[in-house]
Amino acid sequence: QSVVTQTPSASGTPGQRLSISCSGSSANIGKNTVSWYQHVVGAAPKLLIFSTNQRPSGVPDRFAGSKSGASASLAISGLQSEDEAHYYCSVWDDSLNGVIFGGGTKVTVL
Amino acid sequence: EVQLLESGGGLVQPGGSLSVSCEASGFPFSSYAMSWVRQAPGKGLEWVSAVGGGGGRTYYADSVRGRFTISRDNSKNGHFLQMNSLRVEDTAIYFCAKGPTYFHSSGTFTDWGQGVLVTVSS
Repeated sequence: QSVVTQTPSASGTPGQRLSISCSGSSANIGKNTVSWYQHVVGAAPKLLIFSTNQRPSGVPDRFAGSKSGASASLAISGLQSEDEAHYYCSVWDDSLNGVIFGGGTKVTVL
Repeated sequence: EVQLLESGGGLVQPGGSLSVSCEASGFPFSSYAMSWVRQAPGKGLEWVSAVGGGGGRTYYADSVRGRFTISRDNSKNGHFLQMNSLRVEDTAIYFCAKGPTYFHSSGTFTDWGQGVLVTVSS
């Protein structure tokens, strides 16, 4: 079964740079582009990154996406208190013919 | 401005049926694939189903295939999820989400609704 894995939690202090990883396989991340979402409980998820490293209009350049092989990363630079949220990666999986979300990473700003 | 408004959630017994709807505005609805994504209590996001812009192509997660049916009505800017044979584990907030193109072939959802709660319990 295709699975995309994220570290469950990450934390940092204001101003710090934080990196969140997303590990998949050749059927998903290794072949297709990755998206990232920010989700605060009780609100609608927000698209942060699409096509692996593209930011939608309005998303600050503190957020940056990248990929290497079957792993992808989201970097948050200049960490701010409002960045405290859950972050999910998502990708199309060719073997499932559907979308897979990573399990999510809870980011805490100390 | 893109707006997505879900409706139709509620409480249903295991084995029962329920339909949720999403009314869209602010964009040419028939030009974009639409999806449902859910979040069970205390869990992460899970993609459920998608339908292409024309309504002819549909996609399902293994966990709901054969029980859920997605559809859309482009004349009314709406899309729907008919859920049958519901299980306790289907309890979740169901989000309506807009795809980036006519076809559904990526994990990108550009806009999301606020979600509607579906509770399956006896």
